[in-house]
Amino acid sequence: SQQGEEDPQALSIQEGENATMNCSYKTSINNLQWYRQNSGRGLVHLILIRSNEREKHSGRLRVTLDTSKKSSSLLITASRAADTASYFCATDADGGSQGNLIFGKGTKLSVKP
Amino acid sequence: DVKVTQSSRYLVKRTGEKVFLECVQDMDHENMFWYRQDPGLGLRLIYFSYDVKMKEKGDIPEGYSVSREKKERFSLILESASTNQTSMYLCASSPVPGLVYEQYFGPGTRLTVT
Repeated sequence: SQQGEEDPQALSIQEGENATMNCSYKTSINNLQWYRQNSGRGLVHLILIRSNEREKHSGRLRVTLDTSKKSSSLLITASRAADTASYFCATDADGGSQGNLIFGKGTKLSVKP
Repeated sequence: DVKVTQSSRYLVKRTGEKVFLECVQDMDHENMFWYRQDPGLGLRLIYFSYDVKMKEKGDIPEGYSVSREKKERFSLILESASTNQTSMYLCASSPVPGLVYEQYFGPGTRLTVT
């Protein structure tokens, strides 16, 4: 059951540029989360935004949520080569009653030095 | 520092073998999850558990079973491995559902079935 869909599938930028990734979902949510995965590793939680929030910041990360459009965006400012990774959005499933998340397929970000 | 560990980073098994993948978390979390990750398909939930001895099927449980005898340990079992089970397997844990329930992931096990 696919909930979140990231866009674009792949993104290549130069170091210092900003990277924007988008996520669309289908059903109502309680919260939306973004994760990062370095090649061949596990996922690491980046940020969580609740359905009653519109924007959230964490360091160089900025996440927005538009529940009317069922979409979210993740902005990484002043990107670094170390930001090269895949980024996934995840939304709660079944109203979050059992802690399940549904993950999108991810955006593969490549930051060239 | 929170930690989820998986028994192997890489595993090679033969078709028909019984395979055990172990996951241990040290955060006293209630929920534990097993996913598989394949190129182009993202993460798909195989099974999850919200308490000791409890288990629930995820989206793709066929060919798998799980065991949770202790709170900190969640095992994924492939009863008879097949080549289409070659994949990256990720374990995760999270606290009791509330307003905040991020998942903590292990490093993954890349399983190859020949």
